[in-house]
Amino acid sequence: KQEVTQIPAALSVPEGENLVLNCSFTDSAIYNLQWFRQDPGKGLTSLLLIQSSQREQTSGRLNASLDKSSGRSTLYIAASQPGDSATYLCAEYGQNFVFGPGTRLSVLP
Amino acid sequence: NAGVTQTPKFQVLKTGQSMTLQCAQDMNHNSMYWYRQDPGMGLRLIYYSASEGTTDKGEVPNGYNVSRLNKREFSLRLESAAPSQTSVYFCASLSSFRPGNQPQHFGDGTRLSIL
Repeated sequence: KQEVTQIPAALSVPEGENLVLNCSFTDSAIYNLQWFRQDPGKGLTSLLLIQSSQREQTSGRLNASLDKSSGRSTLYIAASQPGDSATYLCAEYGQNFVFGPGTRLSVLP
Repeated sequence: NAGVTQTPKFQVLKTGQSMTLQCAQDMNHNSMYWYRQDPGMGLRLIYYSASEGTTDKGEVPNGYNVSRLNKREFSLRLESAAPSQTSVYFCASLSSFRPGNQPQHFGDGTRLSIL
């Protein structure tokens, strides 16, 4: 059974810090890996998608990397802002998406 | 540009009642999905429809049924609601996997409480 874990479960940082969120997966045959943001009471918003043939993707202050051999992905957020406060979920896609439980991020002003 | 629309947004049921959650997408996507999200857990796949006319079970299908009414609409039905089905339900649709695209689009969810 495919499993996705995320560490840490929660993280609180002061504004301006750079931070890394971790995602581990067991499926070695993933098609792609995706990072989502979820605000309270809302649905999921896609942030970055990494195809299995790629190593990383960047969008603004966000950078996601993928290492299939170790079953890991990281989401790097540079110069964090209070507006980045949300829950971040990763999901790997083999036949279907399998989601991690998420990391709840709080960026303090 | 509505994307994925779910109705209702909130619902309270009594144990044993039935109801249907509705989902519609206007992006001409082929695949649609139903997930549930419980506290401390990631989204878990209930059912999916890879294309119009097909449906398949996901990880947690027991107690649910689905209908892919047409390419736009994918409904989830609870025939006899149980308290364990209290959850937030998300519908999603899938486009393509080209880099830089947003393959899965999500609705805002239906918050369902079963007493």
